[in-house]
Amino acid sequence: NAGVTQTPKFQVLKTGQSMTLQCAQDMNHNSMYWYRQDPGMGLRLIYYSASEGTTDKGEVPNGYNVSRLNKREFSLRLESAAPSQTSVYFCASSELSATYNEQFFGPGTRLTVL
Amino acid sequence: LAKTTQPISMDSYEGQEVNITCSHNNIATNDYITWYQQFPSQGPRFIIQGYKTKVTNEVASLFIPADRKSSTLSLPRVSLSDTAVYYCLVPPSNAGNMLTFGGGTRLMVKP
Repeated sequence: NAGVTQTPKFQVLKTGQSMTLQCAQDMNHNSMYWYRQDPGMGLRLIYYSASEGTTDKGEVPNGYNVSRLNKREFSLRLESAAPSQTSVYFCASSELSATYNEQFFGPGTRLTVL
Repeated sequence: LAKTTQPISMDSYEGQEVNITCSHNNIATNDYITWYQQFPSQGPRFIIQGYKTKVTNEVASLFIPADRKSSTLSLPRVSLSDTAVYYCLVPPSNAGNMLTFGGGTRLMVKP
């Protein structure tokens, strides 16, 4: 099992460019999440998908869009990148449960916007 | 949403026991307490979760007093590889799997 995989690992964009970050999980989890982590800070939730076919905004959704392509895949799109979006992006997945909160995280995508 | 407070950083030496305390004064009746570990350049990893008293697994122990307003993560006999950031989280029980990460505690283990 690969767990949660993310592509690309690194990316450099110019202001105004667009890109899509890909995430896939092979654990048959219902829920998937996108976080960003700025240097020295904790993770902040951008968007999440509680189950296939649903997406909801998290704490910092502005400037991002998401697509839950199927149960395995959840992508994050930056339509017009800004320097403030320079960060490390983590995707995670979990079972949907009221009490069991273990989330499995991918290795991250390091994005720099110039 | 239960706000958590934990030390920004801690230092320890190899072989020592490390205890990281987290306060969560407004924890709700049905909330669980969850701890994650994050190594540099990696995503967080679940360590342990508990509701009350004591929980132990192969990595750590979690002590929760009767009033549940705080919890203590205990790492026995740390090694250099335990150098990481440790996050205490209290996900709201009525919000599915929503996690809110604070700044965590940066543990540095020295030889």
